[in-house]
Amino acid sequence: QVQLVQSGAEVKKPGSSLRVSCQVSGGTFNTHIFNWVRQAPGQGLELMGRIAPIVGRTNYAQRFQGRVTMTAVRSTGTAYMEMNGLTSDDTAVYYCARAPLVTVIGVVAVQGPLESWGQGTLVTVSS
Amino acid sequence: EIVLTQSPGTLSLSPGEKATLSCRASQSVSNSQLAWYQQKPGQAPRLLIYGASSRATGIPDRFSGRGSATELTLTISRLESEDSAVYYCQQYGTSSGTFGQGTKVEIK
Repeated sequence: QVQLVQSGAEVKKPGSSLRVSCQVSGGTFNTHIFNWVRQAPGQGLELMGRIAPIVGRTNYAQRFQGRVTMTAVRSTGTAYMEMNGLTSDDTAVYYCARAPLVTVIGVVAVQGPLESWGQGTLVTVSS
Repeated sequence: EIVLTQSPGTLSLSPGEKATLSCRASQSVSNSQLAWYQQKPGQAPRLLIYGASSRATGIPDRFSGRGSATELTLTISRLESEDSAVYYCQQYGTSSGTFGQGTKVEIK
């Protein structure tokens, strides 16, 4: 059974940076796309972006462009999400979620639904 | 960006009743790449339905989905107390992968 294990909760100062990791165990890494989804307290789900390790491509939601970087280390089966310029509005639970890679069309990776999710990482931004 | 609008915001029903949740897309979603997720308090979301109508592994058959490129419906045929949760639709056909705002299902 595949598990996505995320790094632990963090408390950050405004203006600082964040890095959350997501390691896959019991499943494949290269044949999937890793999405990052966040959920502010009492709010809904917001997709931040995704990375397709097999083609090395990332797609970021417009509101996170320039502030978020997603990477993946294939040798360890670990995906990372880094975000800088933190504000209190970034206080949220951050999830990684794995989707199957359906096909690659040119440099575009087409994915399936978010089948497996990490346990979530609570990030609190506070002075 | 494709906007997904869910209705109603909250459903309050009794055990054994049928719940019908709707999700409307602002644009056509290719290949019915629409999914439903269930999220219980303090837990990560769980995939219920993908491709508009296919149940994910291990999902009871009381959950069913149907729909078209712009309209999606999730039906829970016989509600059980454990179905109390927030349900989200998502389109995964584009790289933006937007979610609806969620429908909360309460069991009386």
